[in-house]
Amino acid sequence: GAVVSQHPSWVICKSGTSVKIECRSLDFQATTMFWYRQFPKQSLMLMATSNEGSKATYEQGVEKDKFLINHASLTLSTLTVTSAHPEDSSFYICSAPSLTSGSSNEQFFGPGTRLTVL
Amino acid sequence: AQRVTQPEKLLSVFKGAPVELKCNYSYSGSPELFWYVQYSRQRLQLLLRHISRESIKGFTADLNKGETSFHLKKPFAQEEDSAMYYCALKGLRSGGSNYKLTFGKGTLLTVNP
Repeated sequence: GAVVSQHPSWVICKSGTSVKIECRSLDFQATTMFWYRQFPKQSLMLMATSNEGSKATYEQGVEKDKFLINHASLTLSTLTVTSAHPEDSSFYICSAPSLTSGSSNEQFFGPGTRLTVL
Repeated sequence: AQRVTQPEKLLSVFKGAPVELKCNYSYSGSPELFWYVQYSRQRLQLLLRHISRESIKGFTADLNKGETSFHLKKPFAQEEDSAMYYCALKGLRSGGSNYKLTFGKGTLLTVNP
């Protein structure tokens, strides 16, 4: 199946700094990618939809100025957590749909990035 | 608004016993439902989708629109089935043409030897 990678797999940063997380579709193109946040032992919460060549679509309650998304190419989306605070510490996961046989695009998930803000 | 409810956080069964992971949904349109699985230290992956009506690793799930349910079942659980299971609904985002996946909170299945 299709593969989605994320970099870095984990990052520790100081409060107030910015952190960039990359999401790549390795063997397919994705005009859309999704960014999720997962708290320990909880579900995935969709943060935003990244659209290649246009602005990202944010879910209600997600600060677009804090979580900057750039979908620079058909295989790369980046999430930048600006002025990070300890409460931003979480597991960030991206996914991308790939056309599969049948009528439904299958979502392929990245391995996630563990962000810890000190 | 779309919502997915998995009432059980934890489910523990013995090897060879039947298992059923419950999932209920709320959605005004025609739903498309999925089960995702996350094994320990691995990424989330698709287990099955309702439109395929397939059995994967012995698991099946039937969409019941009357009861708005999409329960996951397996007649004989195996130890390797131990994992986190998420039910997800694909629906249109409000006010837009894009779709999104809404996940339930997940059920941690433990199959004991």
